[in-house]
Amino acid sequence: DADVTQTPRNRITKTGKRIMLECSQTKGHDRMYWYRQDPGLGLRLIYYSFDVKDINKGEISDGYSVSRQAQAKFSLSLESAIPNQTALYFCATSDLADHQETQYFGPGTRLLVL
Amino acid sequence: GESVGLHLPTLSVQEGDNSIINCAYSNSASDYFIWYKQESGKGPQFIIDIRSNMDKRQGQRVTVLLNKTVKHLSLQIAATQPGDSAVYFCAEKYSSASKIIFGSGTRLSIRP
Repeated sequence: DADVTQTPRNRITKTGKRIMLECSQTKGHDRMYWYRQDPGLGLRLIYYSFDVKDINKGEISDGYSVSRQAQAKFSLSLESAIPNQTALYFCATSDLADHQETQYFGPGTRLLVL
Repeated sequence: GESVGLHLPTLSVQEGDNSIINCAYSNSASDYFIWYKQESGKGPQFIIDIRSNMDKRQGQRVTVLLNKTVKHLSLQIAATQPGDSAVYFCAEKYSSASKIIFGSGTRLSIRP
């Protein structure tokens, strides 16, 4: 969905390096999410934010941090990357309307940690 | 624990046939369900959703059925086409929770 963009699309890094994944949206949604997806598995929630400066841990937040400085941007950081963080990372946005919440996903960032 | 899962990890269907992808959920408090399609190299894309006060909802070539008695959700795709090849995820949302819980996915492949 072109309304949700992620940069970079692919990244190779070394163990111990700090990296940041960026997500931007033009949908005007308040809610933003970061997920990781491993081969053959579903999506696991890392962090989510319901508004600017609002940060909530998901099920696998250890080793990650996020920043939501503006409604349109939600960045994910790996402070010290390790090989088991090699995965496909997705950003998503949503707007809650009458309890129904459709999430719109970005194209993903493929991360390889050597 | 509560979870959303799928009966079949892979499904192979003949082009033109109907496809049925199944999903089981364990939390009877879930009241909103969504199906997503993920094509290779892309992010998941919303297909159709259904609320727990409904048993059936139809979209274009897709139908979602909800059986609350047995906590079962299915996605039916009519006249399956090559472009339907993808991984399909079901997801649920609890009435009092704020997160959507995704299942592990079913891969749909189309035989010519």
